[in-house]
Amino acid sequence: GAVVSQHPSRVICKSGTSVKIECRSLDFQATTMFWYRQFPKQSLMLMATSNEGSKATYEQGVEKDKFLINHASLTLSTLTVTSAHPEDSSFYICSAPPPGQGIDTQYFGPGTRLTVL
Amino acid sequence: AQKITQTQPGMFVQEKEAVTLDCTYDTSDQSYGLFWYKQPSSGEMIFLIYQGSYDEQNATEGRYSLNFQKARKSANLVISASQLGDSAMYFCAMREGSGTYKYIFGTGTRLKVLA
Repeated sequence: GAVVSQHPSRVICKSGTSVKIECRSLDFQATTMFWYRQFPKQSLMLMATSNEGSKATYEQGVEKDKFLINHASLTLSTLTVTSAHPEDSSFYICSAPPPGQGIDTQYFGPGTRLTVL
Repeated sequence: AQKITQTQPGMFVQEKEAVTLDCTYDTSDQSYGLFWYKQPSSGEMIFLIYQGSYDEQNATEGRYSLNFQKARKSANLVISASQLGDSAMYFCAMREGSGTYKYIFGTGTRLKVLA
């Protein structure tokens, strides 16, 4: 089946630094990918929709200048958390729908756990 | 606005017994999709089962079945013959209307299977 990977799986950084998280579709092309954030013991919240070749669409309340999304190819979307602070510590998960499998098929990456000290 | 509600923050079930995890939803769309995902402690989201709003029969996938009651706007997950490996967080999710891949998730239910 289709696979979505994320890198890194875990990252610890100092406050004020930027962190890049990659989401790759390994065996299919994804014109659209989604980025979710999950705080400890909470649900997944959609942050933004990553669109290949165009600007990302951000959900209400998500700072686009803080969470930079680049979808430069059909298999890769990156989320950069700029000037990270401890409150950005969270579990970040991406997902992607494989083409031709209908609107209700989507694959999730394994997630990236970000800890900001 | 679309909304997913899971009212059970935690559930216990004895091994080999069945358990029902509740999920209600709210939407004004006629076309929507309902999903259940399992999230073990590793964090990955594991797809369990899907029900389309126009599907007349309840979805089943092995030990998982979805009790879809459209008039009540409920989509409960039934796990039969529980196993220790079923202990995890379970999320109900809904695709937001037609023509979109965006999902909204419930707050989750933590299931603990007892030996």
